[in-house]
Amino acid sequence: GIQVEQSPPDLILQEGANSTLRCNFSDSVNNLQWFHQNPWGQLINLFYIPSGTKQNGRLSATTVATERYSLLYISSSQTTDSGVYFCAVDPGNTPLVFGKGTRLSVIA
Amino acid sequence: DAGITQSPRHKVTETGTPVTLRCHQTENHRYMYWYRQDPGHGLRLIHYSYGVKDTDKGEVSDGYSVSRSKTEDFLLTLESATSSQTSVYFCAIRGDLGGELFFGEGSRLTVL
Repeated sequence: GIQVEQSPPDLILQEGANSTLRCNFSDSVNNLQWFHQNPWGQLINLFYIPSGTKQNGRLSATTVATERYSLLYISSSQTTDSGVYFCAVDPGNTPLVFGKGTRLSVIA
Repeated sequence: DAGITQSPRHKVTETGTPVTLRCHQTENHRYMYWYRQDPGHGLRLIHYSYGVKDTDKGEVSDGYSVSRSKTEDFLLTLESATSSQTSVYFCAIRGDLGGELFFGEGSRLTVL
């Protein structure tokens, strides 16, 4: 089945810094989602982005489906950005496949 | 926010007892999923449903059963709980294939 790899696995940032998280997938997909799991365990939808670029405040995402990767950009990071970021890909006729996540810690 | 309610949110039980977790949705979505999350393993799919009475296994289905008798409810049952089933369980819903996936708040289960 399709493989999803996220990098880096762990990331520590000083508040105010920018970061880029990457999601690579091994086969073509219909859709891709980014989620943030906050320190309280809630899984929050960030982006639903099969291709192209979307922006939501300080966060933006770009998916290049033909090259099988997606990037999540976090600008001017804040402590509330801490948590685990998951990408999940939709192969089309099976449930979503999740990456193992990137754990982000933003230090004040 | 997607209308997903999981119950109970927290449960402590003993080995060998049956446990049922409930996922209730108000979105009339066709697809419903049960995941478990454990340290070092990310999110793993247990079972999913693609309609009333239509269910299928995920990657970690052993020891679990599910039922979906109506669109809004998806039940996860541990017939005889074991300590290895201590985990956080998440329900998720999706309207159609290719649609956006939404998660519930999670249910923390501890099996002593």
